[in-house]
Amino acid sequence: DIQLTQSPSFLSASIGDRVTITCRASQGISTYLAWYQQNPGKAPKLLIYGASTLQRGVPSRFSGSGSGTQFTLTISSLQPEDFATYYCQQLNSYPITFGHGTRLDIK
Amino acid sequence: QVQLQESGPGLVRPSETLTLTCTVSGDIISYYLSWVRQSAGRGLEWIGRIHTTGGVHSNPSLTSRVWMSVDTSKNQFSLRLTSVTDADTAVYYCARDSQGFDYWGQGALVTVSS
Repeated sequence: DIQLTQSPSFLSASIGDRVTITCRASQGISTYLAWYQQNPGKAPKLLIYGASTLQRGVPSRFSGSGSGTQFTLTISSLQPEDFATYYCQQLNSYPITFGHGTRLDIK
Repeated sequence: QVQLQESGPGLVRPSETLTLTCTVSGDIISYYLSWVRQSAGRGLEWIGRIHTTGGVHSNPSLTSRVWMSVDTSKNQFSLRLTSVTDADTAVYYCARDSQGFDYWGQGALVTVSS
């Protein structure tokens, strides 16, 4: 199985901050990586697919980059609704796997 | 607009079979439907995917216990997980499976307990 390691696991930041979350894959996955946002009690929401393509309706302050084994999710200017947990997911090979999440809290 | 809704028993006894249905409205014909579960101990875990044409892939960790099916006439997908244990207690989601999982159901909490 391909392991996805997210860092950091926890992140405290303020409104307006720029934050970056990293996802490292245990082997190359080209750009078959997606990012999700999840709020408590809700299903995950797709933010980015193909490592860098913004899902329709997702604000442009979200961006993704990377290929191979190193990927990043960046939020350019944090808004109150962005405080949530973020997950990466690889769809390059079976089984599809997820990272363990990064919880983003307000400072 | 695509909508998905999971349904099924919220309580299953150990060693019995967990059965869930995902009812989809909207475009699902050209897509896979994936099942994902989430628990505090295991995070997000992909269970498997099924295409409306019947193609199936499952997580090797669950393959021996998982069975997925689709009824295109009802736009319904089913998941069966046999011989459940406490470790199968989780919120179970179905999701439309494209280049990412772009539409999700609200989730169904299933508790395994006697």
